[in-house]
Parts: sequence; structure tokens; C-alpha cells
Amino acid sequence: EVQLLDSGGGLVQPGGSLRLSCSASGFTFSSHAMSWVRQAPGKGLEWVSGIDGPGATTYYADSVKGRFTISRDNSKDTVYLQMNRLRAEDTAIYYCAKKQWRVPSTLDYWGLGTLVIVSS
Amino acid sequence: QSALTQPPSASGSPGQSVTISCTGTSSDVGGYNFVSWYQQHPGKAPKLMIYEVNKRPSGVPDRFSGSKSGNTASLTVSGLQAEDEADYYCSSYAGYNDFGVFGTGTEVTVL
Repeated sequence: EVQLLDSGGGLVQPGGSLRLSCSASGFTFSSHAMSWVRQAPGKGLEWVSGIDGPGATTYYADSVKGRFTISRDNSKDTVYLQMNRLRAEDTAIYYCAKKQWRVPSTLDYWGLGTLVIVSS
Repeated sequence: QSALTQPPSASGSPGQSVTISCTGTSSDVGGYNFVSWYQQHPGKAPKLMIYEVNKRPSGVPDRFSGSKSGNTASLTVSGLQAEDEADYYCSSYAGYNDFGVFGTGTEVTVL
């Protein structure tokens, strides 16, 4: 059974940093691209970042480019999202999601989400 | 990349059908057969319901179906049930990365 356990959220001041983690199980982790998607309170889904299976190629939404860094440790079946220079508008639930193998833009499993609040 | 356009809300009575549209451009929805749909109940994570325009993952009822015409994709829920009340989001490949763009979301109400 595929499971994604995202963690690391919390309350942080504007300008601060936070690192989210997503521990995966139930599938061959290194074979699948992974993604982070966020949802601000009462708003829709926004794709944030993605990384290919080997960890060689990363992608970012314009809204977080230069501030967020996605990475993965395939020996630990874990993907990370390092968030720096956080802003109030980064407040959201952050979901880790697994990309379906060889099917673009399709996220077939999602974590439960971790809440990030950026506030002074 | 702009979000795909969905109607804010849709509704239907139990047993009826409801169809949700997802409008993009020739650079995303119209250009590729990689449209997916997600269901999200309040306080829950999204769940994949349709991928590659009209394919259903294992376990998704066949009451859910997808289609596409030109730059607009559609999700139809037939035989509406109370448990179908949720938010629905479309997503499409847009050619510039492997993860695509989401729609604005539609709240489906079962009357």
C-alpha cells in the first residue's frame, strides 16, 4: 500500500525558514517523480515544485523560484522542501504527492498534508 | 502559467448527473491528452479520479467519466450520491514541465 507521510509544518515568522519532509513507502521510490502542492486557506490547489526520480531535475512555480528548494534522498525514500524567505502568502497546507509513472501531470497518491503558517 | 478555468459551483439532485468543465488553451488542455481530475472532501487530501482524459484508477466508480473537446475537458458524475459532494479540480500537462497546471476548482453540491 502506497503511503506518503508529510511533516515539518508549523508557525514561522516572515523571512524565516522551514523544511518539510515526506516519507514514502509501498512503491519503488527512486523510480517516481515527486511533487509538492499547496492549498492556501479557502483557496484552490497550487503546484509548487517537482523533482524527477533520480533527483537530477527540479521544477518550481514562479511564485517560489529562488526561495524554495526541492530535494530527495532515495536511500531514505524521502523528499524534502526547503522553504526560505517565507512570506505571509506562503501560508497553506502543503501536500506531498507521487507522480504516476510515465503519465505527465498526474499525481496518483497524496499525503495528508502539513500546515505552514507564516505570521509574526 | 495561468490556472485552467472551472465554474465555481455545480449542483444536482441525487441520481442525476452533473458535468464540470475545465477550459484551457491549445498549449495545455487542447494540446495533449493528459488531463486529470481530483476530488477533495473538506479537510482531506485530494484523490485522483480520472487521468489521461478518460481513464479511471482502480477503485473509482464508473459513475465518474471524463472527456475532452478542443481546449475544454469535462468531468461527468452520473447517478449523483451524497458522498460525491466535494471540490473537484482538473489538471493538465502544459509542456514545460512534467507536473502541469491545476484548474480553479468547482464545488459540487448534492441537493
